[in-house]
Amino acid sequence: DAGVIQSPRHEVTEMGQEVTLRCKPISGHDYLFWYRQTMMRGLELLIYFNNNVPIDDSGMPEDRFSAKMPNASFSTLKIQPSEPRDSAVYFCASRGGLTQYFGPGTRLTVL
Amino acid sequence: AQTVTQSQPEMSVQEAETVTLSCTYDTSESNYYLFWYKQPPSRQMILVIRQEAYKQQNATENRFSVNFQKAAKSFSLKISDSQLGDTAMYFCAFMKHEAQKLVFGQGTRLTINP
Repeated sequence: DAGVIQSPRHEVTEMGQEVTLRCKPISGHDYLFWYRQTMMRGLELLIYFNNNVPIDDSGMPEDRFSAKMPNASFSTLKIQPSEPRDSAVYFCASRGGLTQYFGPGTRLTVL
Repeated sequence: AQTVTQSQPEMSVQEAETVTLSCTYDTSESNYYLFWYKQPPSRQMILVIRQEAYKQQNATENRFSVNFQKAAKSFSLKISDSQLGDTAMYFCAFMKHEAQKLVFGQGTRLTINP
């Protein structure tokens, strides 16, 4: 089992640019979660999907953030336009059963 | 709303010692799940152990065990024979039964010294 796969592992971009983060969940898992981690705010749940359908996006900070899950094996988190305060580590996690399994994260730096 | 509190921001012990990390939570639910996750410097979040609230027996995974005190709403993690590779941030997390969201504590940074 390859685990949750995220790409890229590191992203450096300039303010105003569009950023797309990608996630491949563990096969067979029916829930997918996007988190953001910062020193100031800790781990924050941004959005989660069940069977590819967004269930709760109340954690998405603003309209600049959007997430999609076109199929059971792929999800994206997009930030457009990006701002320096979006700099953080973004995690994707998937769940089958009770436990969430996390990907390695994407460290995003917006200059 | 549920809250999870980890009162020890940092801890440091010598290799081979036993260390206990504290976690308390606040909930009115009777059925729920508790988790400890480890985040080493590589930043990958790794599940350490899980406890179901309806189980009286404390969960154990090799050198890792928990002390689950439901009435006190306490869920501490004990690491026996600590190893250098145990150096990491440790997060306690809570999930209601039939819910999907994890509520995380702020974390405890554990350093194992040689």
